[in-house]
Amino acid sequence: AQSVTQPDIHITVSEGASLELRCNYSYGATPYLFWYVQSPGQGLQLLLKYFSGDTLVQGIKGFEAEFKRSQSSFNLRKPSVHWSDAAEYFCAVGPSGGYNKLIFGAGTRLAVHP
Amino acid sequence: GAVVSQHPSWVICKSGTSVKIECRSLDFQATTMFWYRQFPKQSLMLMATSNEGSKATYEQGVEKDKFLINHASLTLSTLTVTSAHPEDSSFYICSAFIADTTDTQYFGPGTRLTVL
Repeated sequence: AQSVTQPDIHITVSEGASLELRCNYSYGATPYLFWYVQSPGQGLQLLLKYFSGDTLVQGIKGFEAEFKRSQSSFNLRKPSVHWSDAAEYFCAVGPSGGYNKLIFGAGTRLAVHP
Repeated sequence: GAVVSQHPSWVICKSGTSVKIECRSLDFQATTMFWYRQFPKQSLMLMATSNEGSKATYEQGVEKDKFLINHASLTLSTLTVTSAHPEDSSFYICSAFIADTTDTQYFGPGTRLTVL
């Protein structure tokens, strides 16, 4: 079955600390992978995506993610967190090619302490 | 680029009335749009896939007569919640798909529906 698992429901970090949000997926074929961020009461903003090529993907707002096929993972990282990064983060997977019907993880809520 | 808008951003209605939510792609044409529903502190649940000029495809368990979707043009899709009831209260989010080399969905800001 196709699925996305975000093991951490809630994470709290101090401002300036590094961050890693975990994402594992189960997918029958080579997937397209996405990370989205949602601020309270807002829609989703695309942070980054992986389709093919270099497994380390750079995104907006200083985020990056690494695709590890052997571990079926696509973890999101940021070296230094800012208070404005507090939000809900969703990992998503979709089929390669054609329009992608995305499967979302349950989300990880990030809190940032000053 | 790739901006998607939704209108209204929030709406309160009485039980039994119908509510229409618009989703527009502002600077691109979207042959496919998606409608999601999000309950508090939960992930997005895909409700239906909307293709321009054809009937929407609904996910299992979604009542197509309750949630009417119309995709009349390449920049506009509408979701009408018919005879709304309190259990329909939710956050509704649309996305528009760019079928080029990006193969990416761009999301609208969402519409908060509260049914009294």
